[in-house]
Order: sequence, then structure tokens, then C-alpha cells
Amino acid sequence: KQEVTQIPAALSVPEGENLVLNCSFTDSAIYNLQWFRQDPGKGLTSLLLIQSSQREQTSGRLNASLDKSSGRSTLYIAASQPGDSATYLCAAARRGSWGKLQFGAGTQVVVTP
Amino acid sequence: DAGVTQSPTHLIKTRGQQVTLRCSPKSGHDTVSWYQQALGQGPQFIFQYYEEEERQRGNFPDRFSGHQFPNYSSELNVNALLLGDSALYLCASSLEVGELFFGEGSRLTVL
Repeated sequence: KQEVTQIPAALSVPEGENLVLNCSFTDSAIYNLQWFRQDPGKGLTSLLLIQSSQREQTSGRLNASLDKSSGRSTLYIAASQPGDSATYLCAAARRGSWGKLQFGAGTQVVVTP
Repeated sequence: DAGVTQSPTHLIKTRGQQVTLRCSPKSGHDTVSWYQQALGQGPQFIFQYYEEEERQRGNFPDRFSGHQFPNYSSELNVNALLLGDSALYLCASSLEVGELFFGEGSRLTVL
């Protein structure tokens, strides 16, 4: 059974600092891995999707890497801003079970001005 | 282009009652997945609908059931509500194999 872990559970950084968020998964037979952002009481906003054949994906200040052999994905957010404050979740989809995402519990990020 | 829309946004029920939640997928999407998110936790997969049939199911009891209509919209029904069913219910849509897009969710409180 796929287990997804996110450490740390919470993180506070000053504005301008780079953010590094970690995600680990136990089953390397993943189809892809997706990173989401969630604001309090709201739904999920998709940030980046990395296919199993890719090593990384970039969008603006965001970069996500995927290492299936070590069971890890990392989300980097460059030059953090107070508007980046949110909970970030990673989710893995197993081959043959597309749409059945296994989520981590998330990392709650606070960026202080 | 409207994204995934869910209704109602909030509702309060008492134990033993039944609830129906609704989801309209993003335009062009044919697959709908439902998730339950308890406070402070990641979402848990309930089930997925494609071509009006349940294609995959997570570890949820039969009290949780669903339906997909020909226009791809979907409903989630929960019978005999328990206090532990209080959660944010999220709907996600996608093409059969593709990136998932989530709605804002329906917040259910069971008293």
C-alpha cells in the first residue's frame, strides 16, 4: 500500500527566503506525482504535475523534482512571499489507479513579512 | 471556462440523516473522483466515476454511494450519517488519464 509522508508538518520562513518542501512515498511504481496548494477552508489548487518519466517540472518560481529510486519529491519555491502562506500537499498516483491519489498530510507554510 | 463547481458549500446534518453532495466537472472532463478531508489531514479517496460507472473505490463503507450522469456531473450520497463523517468533501475532475482539478469542496458538519 502506498504511503506518502510530508516533513516538516509546519514551516515558518521570512519573506525572500527559498522554501524547500519534502515528500516521500513508499511505492516506486507511481504513475505521476502532483503538488497542490490549499488555503484554509478551501479546495486544492494544482501547482505541478510530474510524470513518472520526468525528473522535474517548473512553473514560474516553483520547481518540483522527482526521484523514484529514493521515493522522494521536493518542491522548491524561490524568493517566498507572504502570499505563499498556505498548506502544500503532495499526492502520488499508482500505475493502473489513475485518479486514486494517495495524499500526504501536508506542510503548513507561513511566510512572514 | 468554469472550473469544478460543488454544491452546497456548507451544510449541517444530524446523526442518522442522509446527505447528497453535487459536483459539476470542468468543461471537457469526463472523470469525477470524490475525496473526504478531515481537519488537519490529507484527502482520502472515496471513489471515482467514468462513463457513469464506479471505476475505483477506496476504503469507505457502503453508506457512501455515488452516481454520474450523462453530462458527467456527479453526486455523492452518504446514508446514516455519523459524527465522524464531518469533513470537507472534495470533488476532482479530469480526463480519463490526466491532471486532477479540484473544486472548493462541501463542508459537512454532523451534529
